[in-house]
Amino acid sequence: GAGVSQSPRYKVAKRGQDVALRCDPISGHVSLFWYQQALGQGPEFLTYFQNEAQLDKSGLPSDRFFAERPEGSVSTLKIQRTQQEDSAVYLCASSSSGLSNQPQHFGDGTRLSIL
Amino acid sequence: EDQVTQSPEALRLQEGESSSLNCSYTVSGLRGLFWYRQDPGKGPEFLFTLYSAGEEKEKERLKATLTKKESFLHITAPKPEDSATYLCAVQWESRNSGYALNFGKGTSLLVTP
Repeated sequence: GAGVSQSPRYKVAKRGQDVALRCDPISGHVSLFWYQQALGQGPEFLTYFQNEAQLDKSGLPSDRFFAERPEGSVSTLKIQRTQQEDSAVYLCASSSSGLSNQPQHFGDGTRLSIL
Repeated sequence: EDQVTQSPEALRLQEGESSSLNCSYTVSGLRGLFWYRQDPGKGPEFLFTLYSAGEEKEKERLKATLTKKESFLHITAPKPEDSATYLCAVQWESRNSGYALNFGKGTSLLVTP
Protein backbone atom coordinates (compact mmCIF):
# COMPACT_ATOMS: atom_id res chain seq x y z
CA GLY A 1 0.00 0.00 0.00
CA ALA A 2 0.94 3.65 -0.23
CA GLY A 3 0.56 4.53 3.44
CA VAL A 4 2.62 4.03 6.61
CA SER A 5 2.51 0.39 7.67
CA GLN A 6 3.00 -0.80 11.24
CA SER A 7 3.31 -4.30 12.61
CA PRO A 8 2.12 -6.06 14.59
CA ARG A 9 -1.27 -4.34 14.98
CA TYR A 10 -1.68 -5.86 18.42
CA LYS A 11 0.94 -7.10 20.85
CA VAL A 12 0.39 -8.67 24.25
CA ALA A 13 3.40 -9.22 26.48
CA LYS A 14 4.05 -10.13 30.07
CA ARG A 15 5.67 -7.60 32.35
CA GLY A 16 9.44 -7.83 32.04
CA GLN A 17 9.50 -9.09 28.45
CA ASP A 18 11.14 -7.20 25.60
CA VAL A 19 9.06 -6.11 22.58
CA ALA A 20 9.90 -4.79 19.11
CA LEU A 21 7.52 -2.72 17.01
CA ARG A 22 8.08 -2.17 13.30
CA CYS A 23 7.31 0.79 11.05
CA ASP A 24 7.45 0.93 7.24
CA PRO A 25 7.19 4.59 6.23
CA ILE A 26 5.84 5.90 2.96
CA SER A 27 8.42 5.14 0.27
CA GLY A 28 10.95 7.94 -0.12
CA HIS A 29 9.94 9.79 3.02
CA VAL A 30 12.96 11.32 4.72
CA SER A 31 11.53 11.97 8.19
CA LEU A 32 10.14 9.36 10.57
CA PHE A 33 8.53 9.89 13.96
CA TRP A 34 7.32 7.70 16.82
CA TYR A 35 4.49 8.74 19.14
CA GLN A 36 2.78 7.12 22.11
CA GLN A 37 -0.98 7.52 22.55
CA ALA A 38 -2.73 6.68 25.81
CA LEU A 39 -6.46 6.04 25.85
CA GLY A 40 -8.42 9.28 25.50
CA GLN A 41 -5.31 11.39 24.98
CA GLY A 42 -3.55 12.95 22.04
CA PRO A 43 -0.33 11.36 20.77
CA GLU A 44 2.88 12.20 22.69
CA PHE A 45 6.17 12.58 20.81
CA LEU A 46 8.86 9.97 21.44
CA THR A 47 11.61 10.33 18.84
CA TYR A 48 12.48 11.62 15.36
CA PHE A 49 14.75 10.40 12.54
CA GLN A 50 15.93 12.19 9.46
CA ASN A 51 17.08 9.39 7.16
CA GLU A 52 19.16 7.11 9.44
CA ALA A 53 20.10 9.83 11.92
CA GLN A 54 18.16 10.05 15.17
CA LEU A 55 18.00 13.82 15.62
CA ASP A 56 15.70 13.97 18.64
CA LYS A 57 15.01 11.36 21.29
CA SER A 58 13.92 13.74 24.03
CA GLY A 59 10.46 12.18 24.32
CA LEU A 60 11.63 8.64 25.13
CA PRO A 61 10.34 8.06 28.68
CA SER A 62 13.25 5.97 29.93
CA ASP A 63 16.39 4.17 28.83
CA ARG A 64 14.26 1.06 28.35
CA PHE A 65 13.03 2.61 25.10
CA PHE A 66 15.27 2.42 22.06
CA ALA A 67 14.61 3.22 18.40
CA GLU A 68 16.64 2.68 15.26
CA ARG A 69 16.41 3.24 11.52
CA PRO A 70 19.67 1.76 10.25
CA GLU A 71 19.15 2.15 6.50
CA GLY A 72 17.00 5.24 6.55
CA SER A 73 13.80 3.38 5.73
CA VAL A 74 12.21 0.84 8.10
CA SER A 75 12.32 1.72 11.80
CA THR A 76 12.01 -0.39 14.92
CA LEU A 77 10.98 0.78 18.38
CA LYS A 78 12.20 -1.56 21.08
CA ILE A 79 11.03 -1.60 24.67
CA GLN A 80 13.05 -3.61 27.15
CA ARG A 81 11.78 -5.03 30.46
CA THR A 82 8.23 -3.86 29.75
CA GLN A 83 6.09 -2.44 32.53
CA GLN A 84 2.32 -2.01 32.78
CA GLU A 85 2.57 1.74 32.21
CA ASP A 86 4.01 1.00 28.75
CA SER A 87 0.55 -0.15 27.64
CA ALA A 88 -0.55 2.26 24.91
CA VAL A 89 -0.89 2.63 21.16
CA TYR A 90 2.43 3.32 19.47
CA LEU A 91 2.07 5.38 16.31
CA CYS A 92 4.61 5.89 13.56
CA ALA A 93 4.48 8.83 11.15
CA SER A 94 6.54 9.91 8.18
CA SER A 95 6.91 13.10 6.18
CA SER A 96 8.35 13.68 2.76
CA SER A 97 11.16 16.10 3.54
CA GLY A 98 13.45 17.26 6.28
CA LEU A 99 11.56 20.52 6.61
CA SER A 100 9.94 20.88 9.98
CA ASN A 101 6.48 22.12 9.04
CA GLN A 102 5.53 19.43 6.56
CA PRO A 103 2.49 17.24 7.31
CA GLN A 104 3.20 13.98 9.09
CA HIS A 105 1.28 10.96 7.83
CA PHE A 106 0.44 8.32 10.41
CA GLY A 107 0.08 4.58 10.41
CA ASP A 108 -2.71 2.82 12.32
CA GLY A 109 -0.43 2.00 15.23
CA THR A 110 0.49 -0.98 17.34
CA ARG A 111 -1.69 -1.51 20.40
CA LEU A 112 0.60 -2.81 23.16
CA SER A 113 -0.87 -4.45 26.25
CA ILE A 114 1.40 -5.42 29.13
CA LEU A 115 -0.05 -8.00 31.53
CA GLU B 1 1.30 23.35 31.68
CA ASP B 2 -0.80 22.40 28.66
CA GLN B 3 0.30 24.40 25.68
CA VAL B 4 -2.39 23.09 23.34
CA THR B 5 -5.97 23.06 24.64
CA GLN B 6 -8.97 21.82 22.69
CA SER B 7 -12.61 22.52 23.46
CA PRO B 8 -15.14 21.18 23.85
CA GLU B 9 -13.97 17.70 24.87
CA ALA B 10 -17.07 16.20 23.30
CA LEU B 11 -19.72 17.55 20.96
CA ARG B 12 -22.97 16.03 19.77
CA LEU B 13 -24.65 17.53 16.70
CA GLN B 14 -27.72 16.77 14.65
CA GLU B 15 -27.07 16.15 10.99
CA GLY B 16 -26.96 19.56 9.27
CA GLU B 17 -26.28 21.49 12.49
CA SER B 18 -23.12 23.55 11.91
CA SER B 19 -20.62 24.21 14.70
CA SER B 20 -16.98 25.01 15.49
CA LEU B 21 -14.20 23.28 17.38
CA ASN B 22 -11.55 25.34 19.16
CA CYS B 23 -7.81 24.85 19.59
CA SER B 24 -5.94 27.40 21.68
CA TYR B 25 -2.17 27.47 22.09
CA THR B 26 0.29 29.34 24.28
CA VAL B 27 3.55 29.00 22.37
CA SER B 28 5.75 31.49 20.57
CA GLY B 29 7.57 30.91 17.33
CA LEU B 30 4.78 28.90 15.74
CA ARG B 31 6.00 26.83 12.80
CA GLY B 32 2.67 25.27 11.97
CA LEU B 33 -0.72 24.26 13.34
CA PHE B 34 -2.10 20.95 12.13
CA TRP B 35 -5.60 19.47 12.20
CA TYR B 36 -6.09 15.72 12.10
CA ARG B 37 -9.11 13.42 12.18
CA GLN B 38 -8.89 10.12 14.05
CA ASP B 39 -11.39 7.27 13.76
CA PRO B 40 -11.52 4.52 16.42
CA GLY B 41 -8.69 2.02 16.00
CA LYS B 42 -7.01 4.12 13.30
CA GLY B 43 -4.11 6.52 13.14
CA PRO B 44 -4.64 10.28 12.77
CA GLU B 45 -5.52 11.36 9.23
CA PHE B 46 -4.06 14.67 8.08
CA LEU B 47 -6.58 17.41 7.25
CA PHE B 48 -4.91 20.84 7.21
CA THR B 49 -1.77 22.82 7.99
CA LEU B 50 -1.98 26.51 8.87
CA TYR B 51 1.20 28.58 9.08
CA SER B 52 0.29 32.17 9.90
CA ALA B 53 -2.47 34.23 11.47
CA GLY B 54 -5.27 35.03 9.06
CA GLU B 55 -4.77 31.89 7.00
CA GLU B 56 -7.82 29.76 6.11
CA LYS B 57 -8.13 26.36 4.43
CA GLU B 58 -11.20 24.43 3.29
CA LYS B 59 -11.99 20.86 2.42
CA GLU B 60 -15.55 19.75 1.73
CA ARG B 61 -17.58 20.62 4.87
CA LEU B 62 -14.52 21.61 6.92
CA LYS B 63 -12.86 25.00 7.17
CA ALA B 64 -9.88 25.77 9.39
CA THR B 65 -8.86 29.26 10.47
CA LEU B 66 -5.92 30.58 12.50
CA THR B 67 -5.34 33.60 14.74
CA LYS B 68 -2.32 34.43 16.90
CA LYS B 69 -3.73 32.47 19.84
CA GLU B 70 -6.18 29.93 18.49
CA SER B 71 -7.54 27.97 15.59
CA PHE B 72 -11.10 27.02 14.74
CA LEU B 73 -12.33 24.05 12.76
CA HIS B 74 -15.73 24.96 11.36
CA ILE B 75 -18.00 22.10 10.30
CA THR B 76 -20.80 23.14 7.96
CA ALA B 77 -23.91 20.96 7.65
CA PRO B 78 -22.20 17.89 9.13
CA LYS B 79 -23.10 14.33 8.18
CA PRO B 80 -22.91 11.20 10.36
CA GLU B 81 -19.70 10.19 8.56
CA ASP B 82 -18.02 13.28 10.04
CA SER B 83 -18.20 11.61 13.46
CA ALA B 84 -14.63 11.17 14.73
CA THR B 85 -12.10 12.66 17.13
CA TYR B 86 -10.52 15.84 15.79
CA LEU B 87 -6.98 16.52 16.96
CA CYS B 88 -5.08 19.78 16.85
CA ALA B 89 -1.27 19.79 16.96
CA VAL B 90 1.25 22.60 17.15
CA GLN B 91 4.88 22.73 16.07
CA TRP B 92 7.07 25.51 17.43
CA GLU B 93 10.70 26.55 17.28
CA SER B 94 11.87 25.93 20.79
CA ARG B 95 10.16 22.58 21.42
CA ASN B 96 12.58 19.67 21.07
CA SER B 97 14.19 19.95 17.66
CA GLY B 98 11.23 21.87 16.28
CA TYR B 99 9.93 18.80 14.49
CA ALA B 100 7.71 17.21 17.11
CA LEU B 101 3.95 17.66 16.88
CA ASN B 102 2.42 18.63 20.22
CA PHE B 103 -1.16 17.47 20.33
CA GLY B 104 -4.19 18.56 22.29
CA LYS B 105 -6.46 15.92 23.81
CA GLY B 106 -8.94 16.15 20.95
CA THR B 107 -12.64 16.84 20.49
CA SER B 108 -14.87 13.80 20.10
CA LEU B 109 -17.60 14.67 17.59
CA LEU B 110 -20.79 12.65 17.18
CA VAL B 111 -23.21 13.56 14.40
CA THR B 112 -26.60 11.90 14.64
CA PRO B 113 -29.05 11.44 11.74
